[in-house]
Amino acid sequence: DAGITQSPRHKVTETGTPVTLRCHQTENHRYMYWYRQDPGHGLRLIHYSYGVKDTDKGEVSDGYSVSRSKTEDFLLTLESATSSQTSVYFCAISALSGGVEQYFGPGTRLTVT
Amino acid sequence: AQSVTQLGSHVSVSEGALVLLRCNYSSSVPPYLFWYVQYPNQGLQLLLKYTTGATLVKGINGFEAEFKKSETSFHLTKPSAHMSDAAEYFCAVRAGANAGKSTFGDGTTLTVKP
Repeated sequence: DAGITQSPRHKVTETGTPVTLRCHQTENHRYMYWYRQDPGHGLRLIHYSYGVKDTDKGEVSDGYSVSRSKTEDFLLTLESATSSQTSVYFCAISALSGGVEQYFGPGTRLTVT
Repeated sequence: AQSVTQLGSHVSVSEGALVLLRCNYSSSVPPYLFWYVQYPNQGLQLLLKYTTGATLVKGINGFEAEFKKSETSFHLTKPSAHMSDAAEYFCAVRAGANAGKSTFGDGTTLTVKP
């Protein structure tokens, strides 16, 4: 299994509070991604990173920010959580070349009350 | 731009029957195509992938898929379903090796009846 961990695995927070989710990899892969998964919507890309300090928006980036100061860590921040951000969040990684498939973390279940 | 359509959000088969999960894609460049499987409360795992070369690709757990450029399809099949195949399956497309991201379909939930 690819070495990807996410923390926390579960979180309940109140509307309006800031929340940071962490993704950590031990594979030294260049690309890292944050997705959210909601019933009927599959996986939707929030933000991704193609290197340290290099990030780009995905299809559902509003209300989210990211940072990548080290190759191994990719942080997702909800500046002011809303109930619509209740979801399961997945981090993924992929190499620059070769298989180019993605390896996924175990997910973080976030509930905003 | 790229997109993926998975036909059928739910598929139900009997144990031992053929599994067929349909995926059609759109891509402006030769695509890389993937099938992932997700078991309850877990992340996605790669089942198989097509990048270049042979259009029939085999994956784990007896699954295979065929890339058909003329039909823009990448359907997933397994000759004989097993109870352990019950899961959600996602098709994904990536615009080649240099594309930084993939686009995922909405997923198909496979139920296997005894």
